[in-house]
Amino acid sequence: EPEVTQTPSHQVTQMGQEVILRCVPISNHLYFYWYRQILGQKVEFLVSFYNNEISEKSEIFDDQFSVERPDGSNFTLKIRSTKLEDSAMYFCASTRGDRRESSQYFGPGTRLTVL
Amino acid sequence: AQSVAQPEDQVNVAEGNPLTVKCTYSVSGNPYLFWYVQYPNRGLQFLLKYITGDNLVKGSYGFEAEFNKSQTSFHLKKPSALVSDSALYFCAVRDAPGANNLFFGTGTRLTVIP
Repeated sequence: EPEVTQTPSHQVTQMGQEVILRCVPISNHLYFYWYRQILGQKVEFLVSFYNNEISEKSEIFDDQFSVERPDGSNFTLKIRSTKLEDSAMYFCASTRGDRRESSQYFGPGTRLTVL
Repeated sequence: AQSVAQPEDQVNVAEGNPLTVKCTYSVSGNPYLFWYVQYPNRGLQFLLKYITGDNLVKGSYGFEAEFNKSQTSFHLKKPSALVSDSALYFCAVRDAPGANNLFFGTGTRLTVIP
C-alpha cells in the first residue's frame, strides 16, 4: 500500500537556524498538507498546497514558514529562523482530490527539536 | 468555527471487552467526521469517516463509529478490544465549504489490558 514518507525522522537544530523538512506524498495525490503537534497537545493545521500554490494556511503559518514542491515528488516545509516554540512533531499529509470527504493520508512525522 | 472535544485523555479496557472512545464536535454546517489512530513512532492512520448516510460507520480493524446529530457526537467503538488496539486515537472534523484542513481533538490514549 502506498505511503507518505518523511525525512528526517528527527531533526535537532539551534535556535535561529533554518530547517527544511521533507515529505514524499503518495504519487497520484494532488493536495498536500502540513500539520504540527506540540508535545502533549492536539494536531494543528499549518498549510495546504495545490497546483504549486498555497490554498489555505492557519495563523500559525507566518512569514517564517514556507512550502515548496521543488520537483515532481518532494513537498518541503522550511522554517527560516527557528524558535524554541517550533519544537514539535511535523506531519505531512496528502489527498488525491479536494472533496471534503477525501481522507488525508499522513506520514510518520518529523520530530523537530530546537535548542 | 469548528472544534472537536475528546473528553477522556485515557481509556483503559480489558482485552475482549467492548471499548468506546468519545468525541463531540461543534460545526456551523454539516460535519465530515474522521477517526485516526497513532501508534508509537508512526504517523496518523485513517480508521473511518462519516460523510452522509448511515449513522453507523464501519472502518478498519473492526472499529465502528456512530454519528449522533442531536448529541453532536461521533464515538468510536469496537465490540471486543485487542491488546494491539492500544494506541492514541484522534477525532477530527472538517466543515467549512472548500476547506480541506482537519481540526483535531486532543487525542485519547487507549490501553487494552491483557
